[in-house]
Amino acid sequence: RKEVEQDPGPFNVPEGATVAFNCTYSNSASQSFFWYRQDCRKEPKLLMSVYSSGNEDGRFTAQLNRASQYISLLIRDSKLSDSATYLCVVKPNTDKLIFGTGTRLQVFP
Amino acid sequence: EPEVTQTPSHQVTQMGQEVILRCVPISNHLYFYWYRQILGQKVEFLVSFYNNEISEKSEIFDDQFSVERPDGSNFTLKIRSTKLEDSAMYFCASRTLISGNTIYFGEGSWLTVV
Repeated sequence: RKEVEQDPGPFNVPEGATVAFNCTYSNSASQSFFWYRQDCRKEPKLLMSVYSSGNEDGRFTAQLNRASQYISLLIRDSKLSDSATYLCVVKPNTDKLIFGTGTRLQVFP
Repeated sequence: EPEVTQTPSHQVTQMGQEVILRCVPISNHLYFYWYRQILGQKVEFLVSFYNNEISEKSEIFDDQFSVERPDGSNFTLKIRSTKLEDSAMYFCASRTLISGNTIYFGEGSWLTVV
């Protein structure tokens, strides 16, 4: 089983749509969880951390279910500029990040 | 905003040649990392470095790889004898002692081995 698993997509959505991405992870001892955004051939950039209580940052909402080892990201009111690859990232109890392969989002006018 | 800088942005090298990728982490950062991303694949951890020594390394980071902090500002990744499969984007990253989980990535060095 992959350490971090995501649907690669692509998800093609119109502007203004709501879209949700899911991710599962295999290591139950994982400590921290994140969503990163990566534009084509660029570095990953932290979008938000994910907490068990769920957290929101503007149009973005992240959820964590530790029992199911499942992480989600919801994007409301999609913008053209949201087009990117969204990386689910898990930090085990060591000082490294484990990345998923990413889910590609394409927002069209 | 301070940033992690990497050079070169792109390097083409012949198989078997040595390559050094350079990084200047953010000035007050103490933890340094190298990650790589083969085209079309996921970002993979290579090595972490703290207090002038390797903290952790992955299976990818074999004897062909080494890291060094030769002075107070640079952090380098050396590949001794490059293979075709070393072709990838190499990202340097750093963080402070207290930033915990927030690490900052450089823009990457794209290595092509021919």
